[in-house]
Amino acid sequence: DQQVKQNSPSLSVQEGRISILNCDYTNSMFDYFLWYKKYPAEGPTFLISISSIKDKNEDGRFTVFLNKSAKHLSLHIVPSQPGDSAVYFCAASRSMDTGRRALTFGSGTRLQVQP
Amino acid sequence: GAVVSQHPSRVICKSGTSVKIECRSLDFQATTMFWYRQFPKKSLMLMATSNEGSKATYEQGVEKDKFLINHASLTLSTLTVTSAHPEDSSFYICSARDAAEQYFGPGTRLTVT
Repeated sequence: DQQVKQNSPSLSVQEGRISILNCDYTNSMFDYFLWYKKYPAEGPTFLISISSIKDKNEDGRFTVFLNKSAKHLSLHIVPSQPGDSAVYFCAASRSMDTGRRALTFGSGTRLQVQP
Repeated sequence: GAVVSQHPSRVICKSGTSVKIECRSLDFQATTMFWYRQFPKKSLMLMATSNEGSKATYEQGVEKDKFLINHASLTLSTLTVTSAHPEDSSFYICSARDAAEQYFGPGTRLTVT
């Protein structure tokens, strides 16, 4: 059973517009969420995270929103740039894993930003 | 940010041989490292948690005798795929954790022929 789901395998947006990537989770014990960006044949690069005590975290062009009641989070990129084209993974962890912080990943969404 | 390296980046081996992949944290000490595996167009799946000086903790379904993990120092963890088979072909990624975040290595593409 997939505990973290990214239901959109791909997304295409125009340069300058907003990209919205969605993620749903089923495990209510998750309390820390992260977004990673990944290029082919490379490891994921950390983008932004959010703790369950918050509902929004912003870092430059990237904003993550968390809706705990819906078990849903989203990553907004605005304005989108061609260099943002990559696969984006949503990940979650449980504080009960103290020290481990093992991550459960979604299946990823491939974002393509058209010039 | 913190840097994690993996070596080799790409390896091709024959069935039945063993392959060792190294994961190093270059500018910080990592008491915990993680090994993930990614199948094509799939998510990263956690294989095991590697703790310095102790035995690794394997996820359900991961054969500990096949995927040997050693975390001999605070900056180095190794994954050895023993008696490799074609179905072991995959992209293996390690990560190292500092107090705040996990930092991922660039990955190792293993192809078993």
